Parts: sequence; C-alpha cells; structure tokens
Amino acid sequence: EVRLVESGGGLVQPGGSLRLSCVVSGFTFDDYAMHWVRLTPGKGLEWVSGISWNSDHKEYADTVKGRFTISRDNGKNSLFLQMNTLKIEDTAVYFCSKEITHDFGDYVFDQWGQGTLVTVSS
Amino acid sequence: SYVLTQSASVSVAPGQTARIICGGDKIENKGVHWYRRKPGQAPVLVVYDNSDRASGIPERFSGSNSGNAAFLTISRVEAGDEADYYCQVWDSTTRHPVFGGGTKLTV
Repeated sequence: EVRLVESGGGLVQPGGSLRLSCVVSGFTFDDYAMHWVRLTPGKGLEWVSGISWNSDHKEYADTVKGRFTISRDNGKNSLFLQMNTLKIEDTAVYFCSKEITHDFGDYVFDQWGQGTLVTVSS
Repeated sequence: SYVLTQSASVSVAPGQTARIICGGDKIENKGVHWYRRKPGQAPVLVVYDNSDRASGIPERFSGSNSGNAAFLTISRVEAGDEADYYCQVWDSTTRHPVFGGGTKLTV
C-alpha cells in the first residue's frame, strides 16, 4: 500500500519559518520525482515545488521562490519543504505528491498525502 | 501565465450524468489531468492525459478535450462521487503546472 504522510504544519507568525516533512512507503522512493502542492480556500490547488529523484533538478513556483527550499533524503524515504519568511497568503494545507512516471516534469501526480495545515497569522 | 476556468459548482441527481468543464485558451493542445478531493482526504488522480483513467478509477469516469474546453464526464453518478474536482495542465510559459479553481460536485 502506498502511503505519504506529511507533518510539520502549525501556526506561525508572519516572517517565521516552518519545515514540512513527508515520509513515504509502498513504492521505490528514489525512482520518482516528488512535489509539494498546497490548497487554499480562496485559490484552490497551487503547485509549490518539485524535486527530481536525485535532487539534481528543483523547481519552484514564483510565489515561493527564494523563500522555500525543497529537499529529499532517499535513504530515509523522506521529502522536505523548508519555508522561510512566511506570509499570510502561504496559509494552506500542504500536500506531498508523487509523479506518475520516473521522469521529472510530467507533472501528473498519482499519489498524494493527506496534507498538513500551515497557518500564518499574528 | 495560463489560466484554467472551472465553474464553482455542478449539481446532478443520482444515476444521471455529470459533466465538469475546464476552460482554457486552445486547451486542446495540452494534456489535461483531473483530480478529485473529498473533504479531509488526499486528492486522487482520476483522469490524466485528457482521457486515460487512473488506476482504480471506474469506467464511469471519462475525459475529453476539444477546442477551448476539456471535460470530465461522470456517468451513473453516485452519492460517493460528491467531491471537489480540479483540472490541471502544464503551462508552457512558466514551465510549471497550473490548476483550475475546482468544481464542487453535489449529488
């Protein structure tokens, strides 16, 4: 059974930082690119960031570039998102997701976690 | 950047056919993917590359794409199909994926 379990969300003040984690099981983690996608009540789903299987290729949405950093530890089947200089508009449920193929950039997400809630508020 | 437009809600009676629309400029030239999300649950890939059903998705779900609109059609709608449905494409300008705003299907 494929499982993706996010953690690390919480309440943080504007300008603060959080580090999200996603632990996966049920598939060969280092065979696939991984992504973070967020869901906000007003804007719906928004792709945030993606990373290739070997971490050589990383991409970010313009809304988070320079503030968020994606990384992975294939030995621990884990994906991370370091979020700095958080803004109120970063408030969302953050999902980790897996690409359907082995290639980075297909951007078809066939497995998702349940999400972790990040609330940025003073 | 590329914009995908979805109506906020669609309502259909059980057993009828629901059609959810995703509008975009010349969207027929893109591969469209559809996701379903029920409250509190993980999103689920339903259809990818316009018309390929994802693993475990029943044949009642089908996708098509033509002109400036892509469609997710759900036949013989069941109460369990009630969810938010999102379309997604790859934006060749930003080189990143973009999602529609989502359509709430009420059964």
